[in-house]
Order: sequence, then C-alpha cells, then structure tokens
Amino acid sequence: EVQLLESGGGLVQPGGSLRLSCAASGFTFSSYAMSWVRQAPGKGLECVSVISGSGGSTYYADSVKGRFTISRDSSKNTLYLQMNSLRAEDTAVYYCAKVRGYSGYEGLDYWGQGTLVTVSS
Amino acid sequence: QSALTQPASVSGSPGQSITISCTGTSSDVGGYNYVSWYQQHPGKAPKLMIYDVSNRPSGVSNRFSGSKSGNTASLTISGLQAEDEADYYCSSYTTSSTLVVFGGGAKLTVL
Repeated sequence: EVQLLESGGGLVQPGGSLRLSCAASGFTFSSYAMSWVRQAPGKGLECVSVISGSGGSTYYADSVKGRFTISRDSSKNTLYLQMNSLRAEDTAVYYCAKVRGYSGYEGLDYWGQGTLVTVSS
Repeated sequence: QSALTQPASVSGSPGQSITISCTGTSSDVGGYNYVSWYQQHPGKAPKLMIYDVSNRPSGVSNRFSGSKSGNTASLTISGLQAEDEADYYCSSYTTSSTLVVFGGGAKLTVL
C-alpha cells in the first residue's frame, strides 16, 4: 500500500524558513517523480514544485522560484521541500504527491494528508 | 504562469450528466495529452479521477470520463450521485518552466 506522510509544517514568521519532509513507502521511490502541491485557505490547488525520479530535474512555480528547493533522498525514501524567505502568501496546506511516471507531468496518483504552513507574525 | 480556466461552479440533479470544461492554450492542454482531473471533498486530499485526457485509474467509477478538443479538456460525470458533490480540478503539462499547471477548480453541486 502506497503511503505518503508529510511532516514539518507549523507557524513561522515572515522571512523565516521551514523544511517539509514526506516519508514514502509502498512503491519503488526512485522510479517515480514526486511533487509538492499547496492549497491556500479557501483557494485552489497550485503545483509548487516537481522533481524527477532521478532527482536530476526540478521545476518550480514562479511564485516560489529562488526561495524554495525540492530534493529527494532515495536511501531514506523521503522527499523534502526547503522553504526560505517565507511570506504571508505562502500560508497553505502543503501536499506531497506521487507522480504516475518518471518525468513529472503524468498525473498525481497518490497524495499525503497534507501539512499546514502558516506564515504570520 | 496562468492557471487553466474552469467554471467556478456547475450543478446537476441526481441521475443527470454534467460536463466541466478546462481551457488552456496550445502550450498546455491543446498541445499535449497530459491532462488530469482530480476530485476533492472538503477537508480531504485530492483524488486522481482521470489521467492522460481520458484514462481512469483502477477503482474509479466508469461514470467519470474525460475528453479533449483543441485547447479545451472536459470531464463528464454521468448518473450523478450525491457523493459526487465536490471540487474538481484539471491539470496539464505545460511547456513553461513550471512543468504542471492547475485549473482554478469547479465546485459541483448535486441538487
């Protein structure tokens, strides 16, 4: 059974940093791209970042480019999102999701339960 | 990057069919067959309903179907049921540096 368990969310001040983690199990982690998708309160879904199965290709939404870094550790079956220079508009539930394929655009077939990030003073 | 365009809301009565549209450009929806659809109930994580324009994952009811014409993709739900009431999002591959773009979401109300 595929399981994705996010952690690391919480309350942070504007300008601060946070690192989200997503522990994956139930599939061959290195064979699939992974993604972080966020949802601001009462708003729609936004693809924040995607990483290919090898980790060699990464993609970012314009809204987070230069501030967020996606990475993966296949030895730990874990996906990460390092978030720096956080802004109030980054407040959202952040979902970790498994991509159906290796490249990153093939559809998200499994999702974690989400972790809430709140940026506020 | 601009989100794909979806109607904010759609509605239908039990047993009816409804269609939700998702309009993009030739750089995303129109140019590639990598359109996905997701269902999201309140307080829950999204669920993949359709991938690659018209394919259903295992376990998804065949009442859900997808199609595409030009720059517009569509999700059709036939035989509407109360449990179908949810938010629906489309997404697509895009040639922009972001790789994937979502629609703004459509709220389905079953009357």
